[in-house]
Amino acid sequence: DTGVSQDPRHKITKRGQNVTFRCDPISEHNRLYWYRQTLGQGPEFLTYFQNEAQLEKSRLLSDRFSAERPKGSFSTLEIQRTEQGDSAMYLCASSLGVRNTEAFFGQGTRLTVV
Amino acid sequence: AQSVAQPEDQVNVAEGNPLTVKCTYSVSGNPYLFWYVQYPNRGLQFLLKYITGDNLVKGSYGFEAEFNKSQTSFHLKKPSALVSDSALYFCAVRDYGDYKLSFGAGTTVTVRA
Repeated sequence: DTGVSQDPRHKITKRGQNVTFRCDPISEHNRLYWYRQTLGQGPEFLTYFQNEAQLEKSRLLSDRFSAERPKGSFSTLEIQRTEQGDSAMYLCASSLGVRNTEAFFGQGTRLTVV
Repeated sequence: AQSVAQPEDQVNVAEGNPLTVKCTYSVSGNPYLFWYVQYPNRGLQFLLKYITGDNLVKGSYGFEAEFNKSQTSFHLKKPSALVSDSALYFCAVRDYGDYKLSFGAGTTVTVRA
């Protein structure tokens, strides 16, 4: 499968715990994005990378959230001290660094904070 | 700033009938417009895009969309809907100078046999 891969698919955690998600983009894509989707809403932008550089972060990305993309390959999104409001689907997408190309999405990681 | 509105939460059609899902957008510059479909517990699947050129763009699974600059709309259409088209559809926009997408809230399409 050469699509965007996310792991895990589902995560249940207790409030206050830390969680980390992984995203493996399509191999030739140098741009990688994280979005968050809550029930009944469209995805909301969190952050994106060009290669290993994190170029933009949304105001939605509080200090408890951190994302990395070492060596410009896979990316991780960590949430520290999880809160119930963090429960959502976290989607990763990747694209070529060309303006007229579309982003391809992974199947997402569904986080439930209890 | 960029934004998308999908005015209908739900669209219900009979199989074989035409399907239209509405989308209007707002951007400060030239828009890049996209439609994605989401099946239950799945990620978003790309259907089609408008970048420039012909206002009518064709995409996957028989879908097409018409870009209308004066009405700032990008409605998704399919001439003959199938039951398998039942899913959640998202319209998205980004400005020419940007890479992040802004999505609408989504429209649930139900095609009845």
